[in-house]
Amino acid sequence: AQSVTQLDSQVPVFEEAPVELRCNYSSSVSVYLFWYVQYPNQGLQLLLKYLSGSTLVESINGFEAEFNKSQTSFHLRKPSVHISDTAEYFCAVSSNTGKLIFGQGTTLQVKP
Amino acid sequence: EAGVAQSPRYKIIEKRQSVAFWCNPISGHATLYWYQQILGQGPKLLIQFQNNGVVDDSQLPKDRFSAERLKGVDSTLKIQPAKLEDSAVYLCASSLGQRGAFFGQGTRLTVV
Repeated sequence: AQSVTQLDSQVPVFEEAPVELRCNYSSSVSVYLFWYVQYPNQGLQLLLKYLSGSTLVESINGFEAEFNKSQTSFHLRKPSVHISDTAEYFCAVSSNTGKLIFGQGTTLQVKP
Repeated sequence: EAGVAQSPRYKIIEKRQSVAFWCNPISGHATLYWYQQILGQGPKLLIQFQNNGVVDDSQLPKDRFSAERLKGVDSTLKIQPAKLEDSAVYLCASSLGQRGAFFGQGTRLTVV
């Protein structure tokens, strides 16, 4: 069975500071890994994904995540956050069926 | 490209009543998912369709929940009768292969 653990339920950070949102997964088969972002009263938006190839993946708005197979982790990082990054972030894993299994979510609170 | 469309956005019903949600996926996406997101938790898969066939409905409470995807395009999810614990956001998503799913804005259901 697959599972995802997001290690922090809330992460407060000041604007322009760096941030890391931690995600660990467990799976007995090869996986695909995703980060989604959810703004209040909105659906989930795909932020970035790891399917194969380079273990470092980037999004268009400055986030990056690194797939670490030995540590079964897929942590999300941004070197300098903005107020607009305040949202709920979900890490997810899927196998070849496409079914996504989500973590519990991490609330990123960016303070001015 | 149009995204995943869902309706209604909000619904309030009394317990033991019935309710239905509608979803129109992204054109050409063969896979359609219904997820349930309870406040403070990550989304949980209820049912996955591949075209108009069911791939996974292991987490669907079949005594009260039903879903169909006629003609392999639109889908409806029904709850009958509703319980208080069904209060949640119901998210529809679609995908093309295993490269990540795209989500609609969701339907927020409140059962009173």
